[in-house]
Amino acid sequence: QKEVEQDPGPLSVPEGAIVSLNCTYSNSAFQYFMWYRQYSRKGPELLMYTYSSGNKEDGRFTAQVDKSSKYISLFIRDSQPSDSATYLCAMSVNNNDMRFGAGTRLTVKP
Amino acid sequence: DGGITQSPKYLFRKEGQNVTLSCEQNLNHDAMYWYRQDPGQGLRLIYYSQIVNDFQKGDIAEGYSVSREKKESFPLTVTSAQKNPTAFYLCASSLSIAAPNEQFFGPGTRLTVL
Repeated sequence: QKEVEQDPGPLSVPEGAIVSLNCTYSNSAFQYFMWYRQYSRKGPELLMYTYSSGNKEDGRFTAQVDKSSKYISLFIRDSQPSDSATYLCAMSVNNNDMRFGAGTRLTVKP
Repeated sequence: DGGITQSPKYLFRKEGQNVTLSCEQNLNHDAMYWYRQDPGQGLRLIYYSQIVNDFQKGDIAEGYSVSREKKESFPLTVTSAQKNPTAFYLCASSLSIAAPNEQFFGPGTRLTVL
């Protein structure tokens, strides 16, 4: 079993839809949770960063962490074609042991 | 502009050759990292460095070597001992390895073995 599981998709939605991206994990010691967006042939860029459990909102993006279920989510409201990218979840106990999901490829169609 | 630069963007290597990938940052970050990204897999940590003249092996260090002679620079050498080096290589940095700071990534180098 991988430490971090993420459905690779691909996921295709119409413009304006609400997108839900998810990861599950097995290591209960993880306490830092990140979501990165990666455009094709580019490096990942940090979207959201959450410590421990709870929700965090930033514009159209909401990150949720449920430590009891070992489950994290990223919601994108009013999705735009420019949101088309691969979304990577990542988590760590400390900053030098980051574990990444395989990434979910999202396409938002106009 | 502050950021991380990687060069070259594309690199081709013949079997049996060593190649060095460059990573430079002007963010004044102490910690730097090298990851490898393969299709369908998460990023995997090759090496990381907490401070100048110090570095530690990550999960897949075999066949790779690094140096950290300057704070700004963390080059990665892919040696001939790396059996399957074709991949997308990403360098990252963060303020500190002890604090839960986010890692910032460079644009990547795509290495292809011919």
